[in-house]
Amino acid sequence: QKEVEQDPGPLSVPEGAIVSLNCTYSNSAFQYFMWYRQYSRKGPELLMYTYSSGNKEDGRFTAQVDKSSKYISLFIRDSQPSDSATYLCAMGGAAGNKLTFGGGTRVLVKP
Amino acid sequence: DVKVTQSSRYLVKRTGEKVFLECVQDMDHENMFWYRQDPGLGLRLIYFSYDVKMKEKGDIPEGYSVSREKKERFSLILESASTNQTSMYLCASSLASSLTDTQYFGPGTRLTVL
Repeated sequence: QKEVEQDPGPLSVPEGAIVSLNCTYSNSAFQYFMWYRQYSRKGPELLMYTYSSGNKEDGRFTAQVDKSSKYISLFIRDSQPSDSATYLCAMGGAAGNKLTFGGGTRVLVKP
Repeated sequence: DVKVTQSSRYLVKRTGEKVFLECVQDMDHENMFWYRQDPGLGLRLIYFSYDVKMKEKGDIPEGYSVSREKKERFSLILESASTNQTSMYLCASSLASSLTDTQYFGPGTRLTVL
């Protein structure tokens, strides 16, 4: 079993819909939780990070962490075609400064 | 803006060849990382470095080595390439060793080993 599980998708939604992404994990020692966005043929870029349980909002993006359930989510409101990308969750704090990544979910927002 | 550049976007090598992947960052970052990215497996850490001439093994170091002679440059070496090393290789850098410091990624090198 992988330490971090993420549905690979693709997740196809119409423009303007809410995109809901999630990851589950098994290591209760994770303290930091991040979401990266990766466009085709580009490297990942950090979207958001949260520390421990709770919510964090940044514009159209909301990240949620539920440590009791070992479950994290990313919501994208009013999705745009430019949001079409692969979204990777990443977690750390369990082993020094190393991050453990999920496999990524491919999202397609159709105009 | 932070810029991380990788020497090649696409590379094709033969089994047994020695392969060098180069990464350069222009923001005086202390930390540099090499990952490989495979479908469904996400990014897996191969090696990282906190300082010049310092290196630490990541999760999958077997078959790889690294070199960091200058702060801005971090090289990944495949001593004898094998077909199971066909992958996308991503380099990243970050300012300091705190986990909350953003890792900035290069565009990646897609390596095919025949």
